[in-house]
Amino acid sequence: DIQMTQSPSTLSASVGDRVTITCRASQSITTWLAWYQQKPGKAPKLLIYEASSLESGVPSRFRGSGSGTEFTLTISSLQPDDFATYYCQQYNRYAHTFGQGTKLEIK
Amino acid sequence: EVQLLESGGGLVQPGGSLKLACVASGFTFDIHAMTWVRQAPGKGLQWVSSITIGGHGAYHSDSVEGRFTISRDNSKNTLYLHMNSLRPDDTAMYYCGKSVDIAVTNYIDHWGQGTLVTVSS
Repeated sequence: DIQMTQSPSTLSASVGDRVTITCRASQSITTWLAWYQQKPGKAPKLLIYEASSLESGVPSRFRGSGSGTEFTLTISSLQPDDFATYYCQQYNRYAHTFGQGTKLEIK
Repeated sequence: EVQLLESGGGLVQPGGSLKLACVASGFTFDIHAMTWVRQAPGKGLQWVSSITIGGHGAYHSDSVEGRFTISRDNSKNTLYLHMNSLRPDDTAMYYCGKSVDIAVTNYIDHWGQGTLVTVSS
């Protein structure tokens, strides 16, 4: 199976900050990567697909980039609603695998 | 509006069985692959199973292979997960997810709210 490694596991930041989360795949997945946001007690929500395509309705401050084995999710100016846990997911194979998650906390 | 409503979770003893269901509405069910993903308490997301649009292709993670079976009834717009030989480490919230298109190798664009399975004596 393809392993996905996210970093950092926890990130403390303030409203207005720019933050970046990294996701690395154990082998090339071209651009078959999605990013999800999850808030406590809620289902995940799709933010980005195909590494850099913004899902409809998602604010433009969210940006995805990368290809091959290294990917990033950048939030350009944090808003109070953005404090949540973020997961990357590869779908290059039917055995979808997720990163372990990055919890974005208020500093 | 796409809606996915899971049911069937609950408390079960180790070695027991459960059948989860996910009723879909707001989209054409039989042209989308479907997936189950679980999340143990306080942990991350884990892919469990995926199924093709006709139901003939079913894929399971190594951790559930031989114990869980994914299926679907397109006439009822319903996805199922049959779970046997349940273990305490199967305790999790189980989410159903809709693939963006017919491919099981594609991302999930909508998720249900989940149903909680607790395996304990």
